[in-house]
Amino acid sequence: DTEVTQTPKHLVMGMTNKKSLKCEQHMGHRAMYWYKQKAKKPPELMFVYSYEKLSINESVPSRFSPECPNSSLLNLHLHALQPEDSALYLCASSPPTPDRGGYTFGSGTRLTVV
Amino acid sequence: KNEVEQSPQNLTAQEGEFITINCSYSVGISALHWLQQHPGGGIVSLFMLSSGKKKHGRLIATINIQEKHSSLHITASHPRDSAVYICAVNSGNTPLVFGKGTRLSVIA
Repeated sequence: DTEVTQTPKHLVMGMTNKKSLKCEQHMGHRAMYWYKQKAKKPPELMFVYSYEKLSINESVPSRFSPECPNSSLLNLHLHALQPEDSALYLCASSPPTPDRGGYTFGSGTRLTVV
Repeated sequence: KNEVEQSPQNLTAQEGEFITINCSYSVGISALHWLQQHPGGGIVSLFMLSSGKKKHGRLIATINIQEKHSSLHITASHPRDSAVYICAVNSGNTPLVFGKGTRLSVIA
């Protein structure tokens, strides 16, 4: 299995809702990432997990809460989002060091906050 | 922090043309990545380079470490190559630093 699987592919949520995005990989990658991408912009790093521990939080608002239950799964819990949080959310994984291989990206979850 | 510059920002080509997209970066790296993103889609990793040249089908990627420069070439371009091509670099265990992307449109 050489894929990163993200669910759901599309999500519409109200500003008072709580929802979660899921990401799964079975390549044995020990680094996993959440990115946010607005239209016609490059991805912006949100969080990095290394060996199931949060290693980087790029000053993301607390309404986004990441979780890494095990080495294959990465969740992003969403609560009280704003319309400006509407974007494509991408998950990626990689080996712990670049010399062991490159990044694999998921197809993303397109989030619309209404 | 590394700065990644891509050129051109936008590129329109006729089907069959040879295409070159350039990427330069400011600080030494462990690896350079070329990524492809179709409209509304996820990101696909095309190449990871630390030296020399790699080829996959009609795509060729080269890197010159001394000059801090990489190129992505597409031979015999096709409308299905229309996408955004993103250059990204990392150093050691640092996360990827992305260029702004090159939007390619290939017209039949």
